[in-house]
Amino acid sequence: AQKVTQAQTEISVVEKEDVTLDCVYETRDTTYYLFWYKQPPSGELVFLIRRNSFDEQNEISGRYSWNFQKSTSSFNFTITASQVVDSAVYFCALSEARGANNLFFGTGTRLTVIP
Amino acid sequence: KAGVTQTPRYLIKTRGQQVTLSCSPISGHRSVSWYQQTPGQGLQFLFEYFSETQRNKGNFPGRFSGRQFSNSRSEMNVSTLELGDSALYLCASSLVTTSDPNEKLFFGSGTQLSVL
Repeated sequence: AQKVTQAQTEISVVEKEDVTLDCVYETRDTTYYLFWYKQPPSGELVFLIRRNSFDEQNEISGRYSWNFQKSTSSFNFTITASQVVDSAVYFCALSEARGANNLFFGTGTRLTVIP
Repeated sequence: KAGVTQTPRYLIKTRGQQVTLSCSPISGHRSVSWYQQTPGQGLQFLFEYFSETQRNKGNFPGRFSGRQFSNSRSEMNVSTLELGDSALYLCASSLVTTSDPNEKLFFGSGTQLSVL
C-alpha cells in the first residue's frame, strides 16, 4: 500500500529564515514518482518538482532545494531565505504506476512566513 | 496559454440533488484528472480520463462519475448529494507523451461545492 506522510502540520518562520518540509513515503513499487506541489490561498495546486525513483540526485532551483533519499524513503524540501510569498500549503505526493496520474498526496504542511 | 479552467467556482446544493462540474484543460492536454479536497480526508484521487476513456479510478462510490469529450473537456457528476460531498473539487490536466508518461499535472482553481 502507498502512503505519504507529512508530519509537520504547520510551520511558522520569520522572513529570511531557512525552512525544511519533511516528506516520508511508503510504496512497494520499485518504479515510482515523487512530487511537491504548492497550494496558495487561491486554491490551485502549483507544480514544484517531480523526481523518479531511479534518480536520487538532489536538485536546487533558486531558493528551493530537494533532498531525495531512498534509504530513508524521504523526499524533503528546503526553502532558503524564506519570503512572505512562500506562505502556502505544501503537498508531497507519490505516483506509483508509469503513465498514471493517480497521485497519493500527503496531508500537507501549512507554511507561514512572518515579515 | 490559458490554464485549466473550472466552472463554476462556487456551488451550493441541497442533499439529494445532483451536480455537474466542468473542466477545460490546457490546450493540447489530453489527460484530465479529478481530485476531491476536504479538511478531513485531504486530497483524494477521483478518476482520470484520457482520450475520452476512463483510465484510472479512485475509491469513490458510483455516485461520482465523469466523462471526457473529444475536445478533452471533462465533466464530473455527483448524484444524490450527501453532506459529506462538500469539498473543493480540483481538476488537473497533463500532456501525456510516450516519452514522458508521468507528466506533471496542471491544476485549476477548483469548484467549491457546499451541500446543505
